[in-house]
Parts: sequence; C-alpha cells; structure tokens
Amino acid sequence: AQSVTQLDSQVPVFEEAPVELRCNYSSSVSVYLFWYVQYPNQGLQLLLKYLSGSTLVKGINGFEAEFNKSQTSFHLRKPSVHISDTAEYFCAVSGTSGSRLTFGEGTQLTVNP
Amino acid sequence: AAGVIQSPRHLIKEKRETATLKCYPIPRHDTVYWYQQGPGQDPQFLISFYEKMQSDKGSIPDRFSAQQFSDYHSELNMSSLELGDSALYFCASSLNWGTSGPTEPQETQYFGPGTRLLVL
Repeated sequence: AQSVTQLDSQVPVFEEAPVELRCNYSSSVSVYLFWYVQYPNQGLQLLLKYLSGSTLVKGINGFEAEFNKSQTSFHLRKPSVHISDTAEYFCAVSGTSGSRLTFGEGTQLTVNP
Repeated sequence: AAGVIQSPRHLIKEKRETATLKCYPIPRHDTVYWYQQGPGQDPQFLISFYEKMQSDKGSIPDRFSAQQFSDYHSELNMSSLELGDSALYFCASSLNWGTSGPTEPQETQYFGPGTRLLVL
C-alpha cells in the first residue's frame, strides 16, 4: 500500500515569488509519482510525472519537481508564480504494476498581487 | 487532442433515488478509473476496469456498481443515494502499455471534468 503526505495544506505567496509545495510518500514497492492541479470547479490536470530516469522532471506552466528516493519526497517548485497559478495541487502515487492513484490531501496555493 | 468526457456534468437527486454517471475515455485508451472527491477532500479511488473486466476495487459502497462496455465507455450506477454521496465524481483513462506499442505506460491517468452530484 502507498500513502502520500502533503506537508502544507495552504501556501500563500506573492506574485513573482518562488514557491515549493512539499510531498512525501510511503511505499514498500517502487512507485510512479504525479502532480495534478485542480482549478476551482474544474477537473484534475496533469502537471508532471516521474516514471523513471532523470530525477528532475519538468512539467507544464513552468513547474518542475525533483524525485528524491532516499528522502521519499517529490516536491514541486516554480521559480516565479503568477496569479493564474492559484489552485489546489495534489501529489499522487501509483504502484509500478499500474493501478489506482493514491492522492495526498492537497495544497491550496494562493498567489496574491 | 480528445479528452475524457463525462456526463452529465451536474446532477441533482433526492435521497434513495438512483443515478447513472457516464464516462467516455480518450480514444484508444482501454482502462477506466472512477474516483470520488468529497467537499474539501482529495480524490478517493472507487473502481477500475481494463478491457471490460474489473481490474481493481477501492472504497466503493455496495450500493454502487460499475461496468465497462465494448466501446470502452464506462458507467457508474449509484442506488439508494444518501446525502453523503454528494461529491465530485471523476473518471480517468489510461492506455495499457502492452496493447498499442510504444506509448505512455498505464500509470499515466488523464482525468475528465467530473460529474458534480448533489443529493438532497
């Protein structure tokens, strides 16, 4: 079984500031890791994913994340945020055998002018 | 690019009524997943189907059932609805690695816009 912990439920930040959303996972097997974004009243959009290979993965909208196996973390970063980045961000994990996604509780990112 | 389609987008039901949610996966995707997201909560896995067979089962109530049809669309049937069933229901789809050649592996799930169910 896998579990995901998002360490911050809310992250307020000013526009053009850098941001890091933290995610730790627990699993007894190798995993695939994902970040999804959910804008108000909308579905889940895939931001980026780590399946294998380079531990630094780049996604859409200028986001990137680094997989750290020793620390079982997959933190999401963006060097300069925009107002339009305001949304709920979910970290998720699935087993390499391919199955359900287990989500963290989400981090509400609010970008203020 | 085509995305996952869900219908209806909004649904209002009374307690003890039934509801049917539909999901049309991305063309050529052969695996469908259903998730339930309660207010202010993270999505919880309900059930999944691969090639029309149930492949995994999560915290789906016995009052709910689902199936995947020959055209790969899926339906989630919910009976004896309760107030606590009010939630956003997501469908996701993915493509199995072994069936269609060098594409993204099954682990990448793409989500539909969701069906918002309100039980009164």
